[in-house]
Amino acid sequence: DVVMTQTPLSLSVTPGQPASISCKSSQSLLHSDGKTRLQWYLQKPGQSPQLLIFEVSNRFSGVPDRFSGSGSGTDFRLKISRVEAEDVGVYYCLQTIQLPRTFGQGTRVEIK
Amino acid sequence: QVQLQESGPGLVKPSQTLSLTCTVSGGSIRSGSYYWSWIRQPVGKGLEWIGRIYTSGSTDYNPFLKSRVTMSVDTSNNEFSLNLSSVTAADTAMYFCAREERFLEWFINWGQGTLVTVSS
Repeated sequence: DVVMTQTPLSLSVTPGQPASISCKSSQSLLHSDGKTRLQWYLQKPGQSPQLLIFEVSNRFSGVPDRFSGSGSGTDFRLKISRVEAEDVGVYYCLQTIQLPRTFGQGTRVEIK
Repeated sequence: QVQLQESGPGLVKPSQTLSLTCTVSGGSIRSGSYYWSWIRQPVGKGLEWIGRIYTSGSTDYNPFLKSRVTMSVDTSNNEFSLNLSSVTAADTAMYFCAREERFLEWFINWGQGTLVTVSS
């Protein structure tokens, strides 16, 4: 299985300040088609996960531009340029390069 | 707008079989563009992919659970199901059904989740 390791596991952020989450995979997520199979999800309290980013850096429809994804190979990052109260929840990275699909452990973001 | 809804017992006894159904509305489960998936989340913990089924009935299971998992699809009722046998307390979790887009491989549509507790 591809192991996904996120750091940190929790973040406390002042509104308006940036936040950054790292996700490292145990093997490259670069597919032979040239696309990298890394997604980011946010699970808000009491809700199902929602897609934020696909293929490393593409924001899904309706996702605010304060969210950005970067990285390549095995090393990825999600950045929130200015955290807002509605960004509270647990963030997960997900690899789809192979089965079984595997998620990172999750990073809990709270507001100070 | 596609919606997914899990249903099934909220309490299962140890060693018994957990059975859940996901009903799909607003779209056809016959669509060849999607996989129909199950993902679980132990309380306070992270997400674990259980497996998926295609409209043809072909399946992919997480090796971790493979010996205990069976998935099926019922196209006439637009639903798919999960059976997990020989459950233990470690199977206590929120169970989500979700739709994985076949080519972009993203999970956009999720059910709200159903909590299953394994306890005598």
